[in-house]
Amino acid sequence: IAGITQAPTSQILAAGRRMTLRCTQDMRHNAMYWYRQDLGLGLRLIHYSNTAGTTGKGEVPDGYSVSRANTDDFPLTLASAVPSQTSVYFCASSVSGTNTGELFFGEGSRLTVL
Amino acid sequence: GQNIDQPTEMTATEGAIVQINCTYQTSGFNGLFWYQQHAGEAPTFLSYNVLDGLEEKGRFSSFLSRSKGYSYLLLKELQMKDSASYLCAVTGSNYQLIWGAGTKLIIKP
Repeated sequence: IAGITQAPTSQILAAGRRMTLRCTQDMRHNAMYWYRQDLGLGLRLIHYSNTAGTTGKGEVPDGYSVSRANTDDFPLTLASAVPSQTSVYFCASSVSGTNTGELFFGEGSRLTVL
Repeated sequence: GQNIDQPTEMTATEGAIVQINCTYQTSGFNGLFWYQQHAGEAPTFLSYNVLDGLEEKGRFSSFLSRSKGYSYLLLKELQMKDSASYLCAVTGSNYQLIWGAGTKLIIKP
């Protein structure tokens, strides 16, 4: 039982480099999300997708892009990383995009931008 | 604006009971969640309240008062493994999920 798989688990990246965080789910959930979590702050939504082929901006989308070519995969790309993007990134999924059901989270990707 | 408040940190004793409060101000309401997050791990779902009252699930219970914009998570018979952060989140009128910063619960023997 995999659920949601994120890769890489941890990465140190030089500022200005491009980075893609991968996320794959095997639960056939319609909705997927990318959050960042920083000390002292709540989870903040970066981008979301309510169904394959559609994406939307969350609370903190600047500097990030996503795609949802199929149901299972939802990669997050940092086009040109900056130190303020140092954070723990969580991918999550749910049956629907109404936020009235349980979110299932991946184990997280810890990103350090130097 | 929309806001969720919960205490930053709480300490309790093994075997005791602890109540973690969450107050919220949102435009509309479509449910309140509690998640547990151990250090270095992903959040995991604990409870979902959409109607007023108490929902009990084993040692954990969650209470909601929509008129007061208030919820609490009650943990009974505390165990050392309950040491974790507890996250409160509310679904607003546009079905956006708003998260509190979390309450770090420290359990002492």
